[in-house]
Amino acid sequence: DIQMTQSPSSLSASVGDRVTITCQASRDINKYLNWYQQKPGKAPKLLIYDASILETGVPSRFSGSGSGTDFTFTINSLQPEDVASYYCQHYDNVPYNFGQGTNLRIK
Amino acid sequence: QVTLRESGPALVKPTQTLTLTCTFSGFSLNTLGMCVTWVRQPPGQALEWLGLIDWGADTRYNTSLRTRLSISGDTSKNQVVLTMTNMGPADTGTYFCSRIQKDASSGNVKAFDVWGQGTMVTVSS
Repeated sequence: DIQMTQSPSSLSASVGDRVTITCQASRDINKYLNWYQQKPGKAPKLLIYDASILETGVPSRFSGSGSGTDFTFTINSLQPEDVASYYCQHYDNVPYNFGQGTNLRIK
Repeated sequence: QVTLRESGPALVKPTQTLTLTCTFSGFSLNTLGMCVTWVRQPPGQALEWLGLIDWGADTRYNTSLRTRLSISGDTSKNQVVLTMTNMGPADTGTYFCSRIQKDASSGNVKAFDVWGQGTMVTVSS
């Protein structure tokens, strides 16, 4: 099984800040990585697929990069509505494991 | 428009079997490359992938749950059913279904792009 190590587990930043979350796969997953945003009581929302492609309708302040084993998710100019939990997940081979999540708060 | 909706009991007793249904629209599980997949989330914890069923009715399961899980599909009703045996308190959480699309010609994959709203299951006597 491929394990996903996501960091940090929690993060506090100010409105307008640039925020970065990392995800490391235990072996090469090519580009097969999703990033999600999840707000309390809601289903996860796909933000980025294939490691770097922005899902339709997602604001351009969200971006992703990386391939192989190391991936980065960035929010440029953090907005109050970005308070949420963020997860990475690979879909290279089953099981499609998730990272442990990052809880993002506003200072 | 693609939608998925989970349904099933909100409360099950320890050792009982859980049966959840994912009813979907806007796509067909008969389509080459299509899969329906299940994910769960204990309260305050991370997401956990459970398993999937594909267009050929082939199934794949989470390694640690494979002895307790079964996923089946009814393409005539656009439904996928998850069955989990011997439920315990650690199985309490919200259960989601989603879809995965694999393009056989290009090799492109679009995974987990649409989700159901989830259904909360509590395991308690």
